[in-house]
Amino acid sequence: GQQVMQIPQYQHVQEGEDFTTYCNSSTTLSNIQWYKQRPGGHPVFLIQLVKSGEVKKQKRLTFQFGEAKKNSSLHITATQTTDVGTYFCAENSGGSNYKLTFGKGTLLTVNP
Amino acid sequence: DGGITQSPKYLFRKEGQNVTLSCEQNLNHDAMYWYRQDPGQGLRLIYYSQIVNDFQKGDIAEGYSVSREKKESFPLTVTSAQKNPTAFYLCASSKGDFGNEQFFGPGTRLTVL
Repeated sequence: GQQVMQIPQYQHVQEGEDFTTYCNSSTTLSNIQWYKQRPGGHPVFLIQLVKSGEVKKQKRLTFQFGEAKKNSSLHITATQTTDVGTYFCAENSGGSNYKLTFGKGTLLTVNP
Repeated sequence: DGGITQSPKYLFRKEGQNVTLSCEQNLNHDAMYWYRQDPGQGLRLIYYSQIVNDFQKGDIAEGYSVSREKKESFPLTVTSAQKNPTAFYLCASSKGDFGNEQFFGPGTRLTVL
């Protein structure tokens, strides 16, 4: 099935610095979802992007879907300690309405 | 309170024993899923069910079995045939329409000794 490559695997920042994680695919994606998993917790849905070139914002988080629908990014402005966790992108596999294929995630740590 | 429950949170078993992990949801969702999470590996799909009495294999179904006799429940059995069963297991559900978000339970950490 399709695979989404997520980079970087780890990112350590000072509080107040910005952070970006990228999700890339060799094939066109129907949509992309982003999840956050706090340490010791479970993944929580953040957002879904469907349209080419789509940009959505949630407070300090900005999500983008590439024009070719082969890549996506999550950018956090002025990180806070509450942003700590692993951020996953996920895409519907092979056109299935149900199956999600997850990237391996980016673990963000924030130094206060 | 609406949500997904998984029990127990921690589970220990001896090698060679089958073990069943529970997953219950009261969100009235049609679709349910089981994932396995290993450090640095993301989430890998074991089985999913789109509707009661129906389920499909995911990417790593070998050594696992499921049933979906009720809409609310989707138990996962880790059999002795699973070669490396120690992992964090996550259950999820969704409405089932295209691209719908998945809601996850708190997970069960299984350790096989």
